[in-house]
Amino acid sequence: GAVVSQHPSRVICKSGTSVKIECRSLDFQATTMFWYRQFPKQSLMLMATSNEGSKATYEQGVEKDKFLINHASLTLSTLTVTSAHPEDSSFYICSARPDGLYSNQPQHFGDGTRLSIL
Amino acid sequence: SQKIEQNSEALNIQEGKTATLTCNYTNYSPAYLQWYRQDPGRGPVFLLLIRENEKEKRKERLKVTFDTTLKQSLFHITASQPADSATYLCASAPNSGYALNFGKGTSLLVTP
Repeated sequence: GAVVSQHPSRVICKSGTSVKIECRSLDFQATTMFWYRQFPKQSLMLMATSNEGSKATYEQGVEKDKFLINHASLTLSTLTVTSAHPEDSSFYICSARPDGLYSNQPQHFGDGTRLSIL
Repeated sequence: SQKIEQNSEALNIQEGKTATLTCNYTNYSPAYLQWYRQDPGRGPVFLLLIRENEKEKRKERLKVTFDTTLKQSLFHITASQPADSATYLCASAPNSGYALNFGKGTSLLVTP
């Protein structure tokens, strides 16, 4: 089945550090990938839609200069949290839609990255 | 605003019983609804998708219904097992795009 690999699974770092999270589709191509954030006991909130070869589309309230997205190939999207602060601590999850399917086909999710900023 | 809601935060049932989880949507008419399972510290795993023209969909012990009149989907797990304990998320795309709008999830606990 379709597998999405997300790396790293956990990051602990000091305030002010920039952190890069990778999302790879292992056995399919994905022109479109999504980045979500999830706080404890809350649902997944969409941060941005990542499109291969073009700029990402950010949801209202998400700072694009803070959360840099690069979708350099059909199998890789990266999210960089720049100058991270404690309030950026959260669970970040990516998902990918296999190319060539209808819009209502399910997305496939990575296993998430637990980011903790000290 | 377009909302998708799962009213029960937690549901505790005994092993062997049927678990029924509810998902309601307001201010839009989704063409489909999806159900995912999420374990602690893990990403969501897709379970079932039901389209608006489908009343019911089944997969092994899982069943999902879609009632466009009530604006509601029900997710059933029959013959529940402790291994079914997890958070179950309802989701749909609020427009023709692909990004999903998730409910808060229902935490299911199945006790032996």
